[in-house]
Amino acid sequence: AQKVTQAQTEISVVEKEDVTLDCVYETRDTTYYLFWYKQPPSGELVFLIRRNSFDEQNEISGRYSWNFQKSTSSFNFTITASQVVDSAVYFCALSDYSNDYKLSFGAGTTVTVRA
Amino acid sequence: DGGITQSPKYLFRKEGQNVTLSCEQNLNHDAMYWYRQDPGQGLRLIYYSQIVNDFQKGDIAEGYSVSREKKESFPLTVTSAQKNPTAFYLCATSPTNRGANTEAFFGQGTRLTVV
Repeated sequence: AQKVTQAQTEISVVEKEDVTLDCVYETRDTTYYLFWYKQPPSGELVFLIRRNSFDEQNEISGRYSWNFQKSTSSFNFTITASQVVDSAVYFCALSDYSNDYKLSFGAGTTVTVRA
Repeated sequence: DGGITQSPKYLFRKEGQNVTLSCEQNLNHDAMYWYRQDPGQGLRLIYYSQIVNDFQKGDIAEGYSVSREKKESFPLTVTSAQKNPTAFYLCATSPTNRGANTEAFFGQGTRLTVV
């Protein structure tokens, strides 16, 4: 069985604050992939990052950074110096061999950035 | 204009009616998916198809049907057997359902409401 848990339902911050979104996953497989997607009010999910289980290097892309720790089964996402345009629902997802590599999503975290 | 087109954007259904949601893609992707999104529950997989003329049930297939007669098209029918169809429906594609190429691309969604 696999599972993705995003413990934070909603986060509200003031512009320029940093915000970290937690993601904890469960899988029995050694080969798996983790994803983050952003869903703005328009509804379409936008792909942010894919990380495979053999690459634990943290990644930074502009104001976005990701911290992958296999020891704690976590794949956390940080937005630095948040902006109003970052307001969206963010989903963490997992795909692995046991589930035929289908995506399994967490419940999502709604981020609201106030001006 | 490349991408995934879902139509209509909004759909209203009377109780007891079947309705069909359209999903068309010109990305030449093999795999296509239908997800349902309810508030606070993330995305749940309804059906998926890895190749033309073949599809499999996802986690919540009851009350839904699909077809995959063409690579570009994966329509979803919400039947009268689906007792709680009001939700946001998202279509997605990926180059393949195997291995590393499991990043999914999403359409803009169809919001279905039962009236």
